[in-house]
Amino acid sequence: DTEVTQTPKHLVMGMTNKKSLKCEQHMGHRAMYWYKQKAKKPPELMFVYSYEKLSINESVPSRFSPECPNSSLLNLHLHALQPEDSALYLCASSQELDIPNQPQHFGDGTRLSIL
Amino acid sequence: GNSVTQMEGPVTLSEEAFLTINCTYTATGYPSLFWYVQYPGEGLQLLLKATKADDKGSNKGFEATYRKETTSFHLEKGSVQVSDSAVYFCALKHNAGNMLTFGGGTRLMVKP
Repeated sequence: DTEVTQTPKHLVMGMTNKKSLKCEQHMGHRAMYWYKQKAKKPPELMFVYSYEKLSINESVPSRFSPECPNSSLLNLHLHALQPEDSALYLCASSQELDIPNQPQHFGDGTRLSIL
Repeated sequence: GNSVTQMEGPVTLSEEAFLTINCTYTATGYPSLFWYVQYPGEGLQLLLKATKADDKGSNKGFEATYRKETTSFHLEKGSVQVSDSAVYFCALKHNAGNMLTFGGGTRLMVKP
């Protein structure tokens, strides 16, 4: 069982829809991450939050909008997505951003399909 | 910059066979090394890690040794099971930060 919970598990949306992906962890971690994973590829980092502040944005298009309302929650708001945005979206957390040797813990992801 | 190279898959083995998945890395300094496993339809799970040269990480019968002289972190298991069928990712994290650099992943298929 994963300690990082993501909802929904599956999401189908049209290109004009607005939806949100949610991620929750109760391990007391202060760093949280969004990744995008295409089929047969490794995860690609999108955003990093540290202590609820955006630390890294890997040049992600503005149709993806992250939000960290508190230390346990991380959202990814989606608007006007394109078919190529269909992928598995993974959330991860770690103890703190700059503590050496600490692994990231991943959720099971949201499989997103854009029609 | 940092990079991780894994052997291309798929790797197909019979049950109880010996497994080796090769992983080599390029990095400055002394990174930490990880193996993650992704079962079908799931996220990534940490399988094992090693944080300094000559460390051996082990879990669930899998093991990997941090070899700085060959910049390698090969994954091994003495006797694989059908339930080990998954994609395995080698990754490194430089001690200067907490960003993971992943290898391309290796799909393992174990046949009964």
